[in-house]
Amino acid sequence: KQEVTQIPAALSVPEGENLVLNCSFTDSAIYNLQWFRQDPGKGLTSLLLIQSSQREQTSGRLNASLDKSSGRSTLYIAASQPGDSATYLCAVRSGGGATNKLIFGTGTLLAVQP
Amino acid sequence: DAGVIQSPRHEVTEMGQEVTLRCKPISGHNSLFWYRQTMMRGLELLIYFNNNVPIDDSGMPEDRFSAKMPNASFSTLKIQPSEPRDSAVYFCASTLGNSPLHFGNGTRLTVT
Repeated sequence: KQEVTQIPAALSVPEGENLVLNCSFTDSAIYNLQWFRQDPGKGLTSLLLIQSSQREQTSGRLNASLDKSSGRSTLYIAASQPGDSATYLCAVRSGGGATNKLIFGTGTLLAVQP
Repeated sequence: DAGVIQSPRHEVTEMGQEVTLRCKPISGHNSLFWYRQTMMRGLELLIYFNNNVPIDDSGMPEDRFSAKMPNASFSTLKIQPSEPRDSAVYFCASTLGNSPLHFGNGTRLTVT
């Protein structure tokens, strides 16, 4: 059974710092891994999707890496801003045949202090 | 593209009442997912459909929960009878193949 863990559970940094969020999963047989952002009281916004054949994806100040063999992914945020404050969730899509499904980690609550 | 549309945004009901949550996926998407989010348990997958067919409902907590997808543009999640422990935010999401998952804004359900 796929299990997804995110460390740390919460993180507070001053504005301008570079930071790394971690995601680990127990079953390396995945189709893809997706990073999301969730603002309080809102739905989830997709940030980056890494297919199983890829090593990393970049969008603006965000860079996500994937190491399937070790069951790990990182989300790197450069030059953090107060507007980056949110909960960040990773989700792994795995499973056999038509039953592949997206399993979420518990998230990292990020606060960027101005 | 209007995105995934869920209704209602908020639902407050009394214990024992029937609750129906609705979802319109993004046009052209062939997979639809229902998730429940609580502080204690995070995001839990309840059920998902592929081409309108339920593929995995192992996350549906009890027989009080049921979901349907009568066509490619509409799905419902029903709770009957509702209980206070069902209080949560219910999200619907859709995707096409292995493309990114798109979420609706959720329905916040409160059962008193």
